[in-house]
Amino acid sequence: GAGVSQSPSNKVTEKGKDVELRCDPISGHTALYWYRQRLGQGLEFLIYFQGNSAPDKSGLPSDRFSAERTGESVSTLTIQRTQQEDSAVYLCASSPLRSTDTQYFGPGTRLTVL
Amino acid sequence: EDKVVQSPLSLVVHEGDTVTLNCSYEVTNFRSLLWYKQEKKAPTFLFMLTSSGIEKKSGRLSSILDKKELFSILNITATQTGDSAIYLCAVAQGGNAGNMLTFGGGTRLMVKP
Repeated sequence: GAGVSQSPSNKVTEKGKDVELRCDPISGHTALYWYRQRLGQGLEFLIYFQGNSAPDKSGLPSDRFSAERTGESVSTLTIQRTQQEDSAVYLCASSPLRSTDTQYFGPGTRLTVL
Repeated sequence: EDKVVQSPLSLVVHEGDTVTLNCSYEVTNFRSLLWYKQEKKAPTFLFMLTSSGIEKKSGRLSSILDKKELFSILNITATQTGDSAIYLCAVAQGGNAGNMLTFGGGTRLMVKP
């Protein structure tokens, strides 16, 4: 079946602009996660959605970062007033309710802030 | 502070060699340890380990967890150039830690022909 999809695959923006990244999870997966991966580093957790529960936003690095999810479908990650240190690959993952530890990742969005 | 440490940072081997990648962790409320392979952008799931001493195996790859010593190893036998990738180790925690994974920095493996 279809995996996690993300768009755009690449985004180049100017410092100070807002960007919106999109994630389509695997159909039927209740949990959705956003991670950030800076060049040469591991993945940093950003935010987690589980069904209709309040999201876990504990990993968001600043109030410029926000994310929304409608039900158990698409999620968008918004970064306002982008800074050069926001340049990274943003990865989305989803997992089924019965096995939330096994997260399936999308191809990511490479964000470059000039 | 929860942390996951992988070693070595990078490794270069020749086809046919056997490699062992290491992952140690210090986290509260350990629940499971996962290994992923990352070739371009998307990490692909390899193994999930929850019980100590039980080897998980898939073809030439195998992994085992030691919950007493807080580490896991990933073995790849008869390596091929297609095994070249970054291998990521991650830990899932229970309790109030939420459901995110805490990742190590990865081991970059290069297999030369």
